[in-house]
Amino acid sequence: SQTIHQWPATLVQPVGSPLSLECTVEGTSNPNLYWYRQAAGRGLQLLFYSVGIGQISSEVPQNLSASRPQDRQFILSSKKLLLSDSGFYLCAWSVTGSGNTIYFGEGSWLTVV
Amino acid sequence: QKEVEQDPGPLSVPEGAIVSLNCTYSNSAFQYFMWYRQYSRKGPELLMYTYSSGNKEDGRFTAQVDKSSKYISLFIRDSQPSDSATYLCAMSREYGNKLVFGAGTILRVKS
Repeated sequence: SQTIHQWPATLVQPVGSPLSLECTVEGTSNPNLYWYRQAAGRGLQLLFYSVGIGQISSEVPQNLSASRPQDRQFILSSKKLLLSDSGFYLCAWSVTGSGNTIYFGEGSWLTVV
Repeated sequence: QKEVEQDPGPLSVPEGAIVSLNCTYSNSAFQYFMWYRQYSRKGPELLMYTYSSGNKEDGRFTAQVDKSSKYISLFIRDSQPSDSATYLCAMSREYGNKLVFGAGTILRVKS
């Protein structure tokens, strides 16, 4: 069966510091990968998605970037965090042919102080 | 106007009650409809998936889609305290298209 791992689960970072969140998927090949951010009362905002290695699409202009160095690895980064980057970040995956359903990781809570 | 509207709640019900959760949407091109359940500080998990109009039942859960009214519902029968969570609706247009999520409804089932 497929599993998704996301880490770290929680982190507190000062303003201006870098960020790296990592996500890996097991049990499937060539998944579509996603990074979402969830803010209270605002639902899920799609930040990036990737259909293959090195292929990244950005949905929202922001202070973040994403990379996919390997088939089942997806990384969310920032060079300098802003207070507004605080939130709950979720990695997710899907497989073409799965009926548009996506499956989420456990999430990473980021607090920028 | 948001593409998908969902009452944020919180919705508080006694144990054993029938719960009705709803979403409305504006884009008539949506064809794929999903419900996700999210426990506090956890990632959402897929609960129900429906294509086009109609009903789908899975245990205590029933998903209903009315495309003519642009309205989807999730019914929970015999609600349990363990059902307390945030429920997110999601939908998409053509096959392979990205999902659009509602803001989520907080449900609290009191024992």
